[in-house]
Amino acid sequence: GAGVSQTPSNKVTEKGKYVELRCDPISGHTALYWYRQSLGQGPEFLIYFQGTGAADDSGLPNDRFFAVRPEGSVSTLKIQRTERGDSAVYLCASSTLLAGGVDTQYFGPGTRLTVL
Amino acid sequence: EDKVVQSPLSLVVHEGDTVTLNCSYEVTNFRSLLWYKQEKKAPTFLFMLTSSGIEKKSGRLSSILDKKELFSILNITATQTGDSAVYLCAVEAGSGNTPLVFGKGTRLSVIA
Repeated sequence: GAGVSQTPSNKVTEKGKYVELRCDPISGHTALYWYRQSLGQGPEFLIYFQGTGAADDSGLPNDRFFAVRPEGSVSTLKIQRTERGDSAVYLCASSTLLAGGVDTQYFGPGTRLTVL
Repeated sequence: EDKVVQSPLSLVVHEGDTVTLNCSYEVTNFRSLLWYKQEKKAPTFLFMLTSSGIEKKSGRLSSILDKKELFSILNITATQTGDSAVYLCAVEAGSGNTPLVFGKGTRLSVIA
């Protein structure tokens, strides 16, 4: 596709439920990032994939959060036993390294997760 | 710990005014500084700055980086209501693909 797409755009769930958020990166982009943005804050890094493998998952807040990218393209962020504090906009970005080591991350429209 | 601080946090101006948004940073192995505009949910890319003193310009927007003093500014001239948004500053450190470290953003409101 032309840009990064994310589904669903909005998700309302109840505390304790399981949710999956999907990201479809720009075609050909090898790197994929997940960020979380709470109200009034900048995006905060969660996890980054290079190809199929998670190159850095140091931003995941706890073991309720998990992400996969099995074929090196689409990624799914999975949250188990959701808590009200998980409510935020979840942003996905993709990039690819250009000559000179420059890479610009392009963001999707995000998924707004509300945990009641 | 890498840190990005933006100021002001919010700003209200009238159409036609010129605004300057500030971003200071402390990171290890700085590589680039990026500015994004966020109107609803998706941050949209504005500029990437890697070298000091070289102004990047796009229409009424311009930005410059000072790697000695560790800051960048984003200027918007002749503001319009469509410029109303949150402007995010982010820094990239290290080599290869790396996560961005964002500031909290500056919320700009342009009133007619």
